[in-house]
Amino acid sequence: SQKIEQNSEALNIQEGKTATLTCNYTNYSPAYLQWYRQDPGRGPVFLLLIRENEKEKRKERLKVTFDTTLKQSLFHITASQPADSATYLCALPTGTASKLTFGTGTRLQVTL
Amino acid sequence: EAQVTQNPRYLITVTGKKLTVTCSQNMNHEYMSWYRQDPGLGLRQIYYSMNVEVTDKGDVPEGYKVSRKEKRNFPLILESPSPNQTSLYFCASSSQMGQPTPPYFGPGTRLLVL
Repeated sequence: SQKIEQNSEALNIQEGKTATLTCNYTNYSPAYLQWYRQDPGRGPVFLLLIRENEKEKRKERLKVTFDTTLKQSLFHITASQPADSATYLCALPTGTASKLTFGTGTRLQVTL
Repeated sequence: EAQVTQNPRYLITVTGKKLTVTCSQNMNHEYMSWYRQDPGLGLRQIYYSMNVEVTDKGDVPEGYKVSRKEKRNFPLILESPSPNQTSLYFCASSSQMGQPTPPYFGPGTRLLVL
């Protein structure tokens, strides 16, 4: 079955550094992959989508890469700020009818 | 403002007492779904609906019912709640046009079943 893995351990980094989060998947070849931000007790908010034929996508301080050979996506936040502290989820389409399967998320903590 | 609303936001109930969590969206989206989120397990889809009167099971449908009588509403029904349904629930909606379109999520409903 489709498996999506994100590092369950929190990532702690200093303000100004680049945060890199990983999303690995198995047993599937998704046409695209999405990244979301989730704050405690709130619904996920869409950040970026990258398609299988795109190697890299950028949006302001965010960058996503997608390696379909390694079955991995990396999510980077450059010049990180305390306001970037949240849980970040990756999601893949895993069936019909717009079905998305989510990873368990990685919590990012940016300290001063 | 485009939004998905859920009610109630917080609910404490007892085992066996039927409850309904409402979900409504104002974006004329065709696709709606319900997720539950538990520590260590992430978001798991309970049910989804592709349009009015079209619903289907997600990954964890046991103990839940849904209906889609109107395009904007997609209530989640727990006929006989049990403690293992204590969770954080999210409703989401998305358009089927010009896929892929990421879903909008509601604010969540935190349910405690005693």
